[in-house]
Amino acid sequence: AQKVTQAQTEISVVEKEDVTLDCVYETRDTTYYLFWYKQPPSGELVFLIRRNSFDEQNEISGRYSWNFQKSTSSFNFTITASQVVDSAVYFCALSGSGGSYIPTFGRGTSLIVHP
Amino acid sequence: EPEVTQTPSHQVTQMGQEVILRCVPISNHLYFYWYRQILGQKVEFLVSFYNNEISEKSEIFDDQFSVERPDGSNFTLKIRSTKLEDSAMYFCASTVGLADYNEQFFGPGTRLTVL
Repeated sequence: AQKVTQAQTEISVVEKEDVTLDCVYETRDTTYYLFWYKQPPSGELVFLIRRNSFDEQNEISGRYSWNFQKSTSSFNFTITASQVVDSAVYFCALSGSGGSYIPTFGRGTSLIVHP
Repeated sequence: EPEVTQTPSHQVTQMGQEVILRCVPISNHLYFYWYRQILGQKVEFLVSFYNNEISEKSEIFDDQFSVERPDGSNFTLKIRSTKLEDSAMYFCASTVGLADYNEQFFGPGTRLTVL
């Protein structure tokens, strides 16, 4: 069975602070895919990143970076120099391999960035 | 930029009534998905659809639910006899290929309220 744990329910920071959102996963699949999505207050879901289990290289996209560590089953997301527009709920998700796409989402972390 | 659209944005219905939620995926996409998110909770996969048939469905997607691609553009989710617990935000998504390998584009969601 797959499981995604986002232990941080809510994080509150002041603008320009760096913030890391944690994601820990469990799966028996040797090949799997990890995702992060952003859900701003307007409610839509925005895809941020997909990472497969064979690619442990960290990724940076502007102020966003992701740290994938198979040894600890973690796929953490860091926002550098946070901005008010980063305020949203962030979901981590996991899907398996073998042609099955039933993703498991974490419960989400609500990030509030104060001006 | 192409986008997934959903109508209506908000649907209010009486318990026991049938509802149809509509989605227009991105035109060259081949895989379609429905998710639901009960208020304040995590996103849950309902069903995936490819080549005019269901590829996968979750335990939530019981006999009360059905999906259809009635024409070349629309993708619908029907709930035959709504229950109070069906109140949620329903998201449609599409991908050009398998979602494991391709970015999922989500629609803005339909908020369903069952009274």
